[in-house]
Amino acid sequence: GEDVEQSLFLSVREGDSSVINCTYTDSSSTYLYWYKQEPGAGLQLLTYIFSNMDMKQDQRLTVLLNKKDKHLSLRIADTQTGDSAIYFCAESTSYGNNRLAFGKGNQVVVIP
Amino acid sequence: EAGVAQSPRYKIIEKRQSVAFWCNPISGHATLYWYQQILGQGPKLLIQFQNNGVVDDSQLPKDRFSAERLKGVDSTLKIQPAKLEDSAVYLCASSLGGGSTDTQYFGPGTRLTVL
Repeated sequence: GEDVEQSLFLSVREGDSSVINCTYTDSSSTYLYWYKQEPGAGLQLLTYIFSNMDMKQDQRLTVLLNKKDKHLSLRIADTQTGDSAIYFCAESTSYGNNRLAFGKGNQVVVIP
Repeated sequence: EAGVAQSPRYKIIEKRQSVAFWCNPISGHATLYWYQQILGQGPKLLIQFQNNGVVDDSQLPKDRFSAERLKGVDSTLKIQPAKLEDSAVYLCASSLGGGSTDTQYFGPGTRLTVL
């Protein structure tokens, strides 16, 4: 089955780096995702990583995947006030139908 | 390109009443999803359509929830009768196809409060 765990809250100063962590349980997941949710808005896909990769960099975002420990992290470099949001990690499940299992989310507050 | 549209944005009802939500996916997207997001939690898939057929409704409480996508475009999600624990944001998403590489695009959601 799928179960995704995330820590709940992170505050970071503008310009610093922020790191959000996530653990998942379904070792057969093919893709892992990071979504961003701003207040009153839907979820926005930030980035994703294929399960046979261990790192992916996309501008200010770096995703690290430790498949052995089933651990996923998202690093945001040079964090901006616009990065304040809730971040969800999600795994595609083994059902083969693109069902996503989401974590509870991690709220990031950027302090100017 | 227009995004996923949902209405209403907010709904307040009393328990045991009925409610319906509407979703218009991105044009050309064959796959449509309804998620339930309870406060403080991540979204949970309720039902997934591929065109007008149901692909996955294993997590849909079928005794009170129903959904349809008759012409393979718009979709409605209904709750009848509503319970207090149904208070949540109901998110609709769509993707071009139903594969793992098909990005899901989310609408703004409908926030339901059941009193």
